[in-house]
Amino acid sequence: DAKTTQPTSMDCAEGRAANLPCNHSTISGNEYVYWYRQIHSQGPQYIIHGLKNNETNEMASLIITEDRKSSTLILPHATLRDTAVYYCIVRVLGTGGGNKLTFGTGTQLKVEL
Amino acid sequence: SQTIHQWPATLVQPVGSPLSLECTVEGTSNPNLYWYRQAAGRGLQLLFYSVGIGQISSEVPQNLSASRPQDRQFILSSKKLLLSDSGFYLCAWSYKTGSSNQPQHFGDGTRLSIL
Repeated sequence: DAKTTQPTSMDCAEGRAANLPCNHSTISGNEYVYWYRQIHSQGPQYIIHGLKNNETNEMASLIITEDRKSSTLILPHATLRDTAVYYCIVRVLGTGGGNKLTFGTGTQLKVEL
Repeated sequence: SQTIHQWPATLVQPVGSPLSLECTVEGTSNPNLYWYRQAAGRGLQLLFYSVGIGQISSEVPQNLSASRPQDRQFILSSKKLLLSDSGFYLCAWSYKTGSSNQPQHFGDGTRLSIL
């Protein structure tokens, strides 16, 4: 499995961009990078995923380096409701065809006034 | 739109008692289904996944079992609970069609406490 490394915690001022880094130096060529977040006591929420190109949706942008060894999740205008644990995950295809997501401990993002 | 339901939201059970947690998905057919567990202060661990009715893959040896009696129903069970089975149990689904990079979508989980 390709492992990911994230900072344990980060702070961000409300209204500013939150940039969450992730290292995945052992990623294979066909493995996607996924980002999820988990607000306390809730199930993880899917944010975005990508393979090589940068991606953007209504929630966030994902910037993947050219060598694919790291990526950054960008929340352009963080709000208090974005306070959560953010997980960077590299997918591993399960033996039976199911997609296996290996969750680490993630980054606790605190958005403050 | 697709929705995923898990129940109960919280459960307190004595050691040695049986367990049955249920998960259902609406708004899609033939999904991949998954059971995860999250121990306190730790990341999620995949327990089981299913690509179809009656097809279950186990990721880790444990005291639990899973079944998929219907296309959109996934059940997590145990005959005798252990203290170590305490945790936050999450069900997830993903599309099967197309490429294998479909994201998984999670339910709100069941918080299980064993006494």
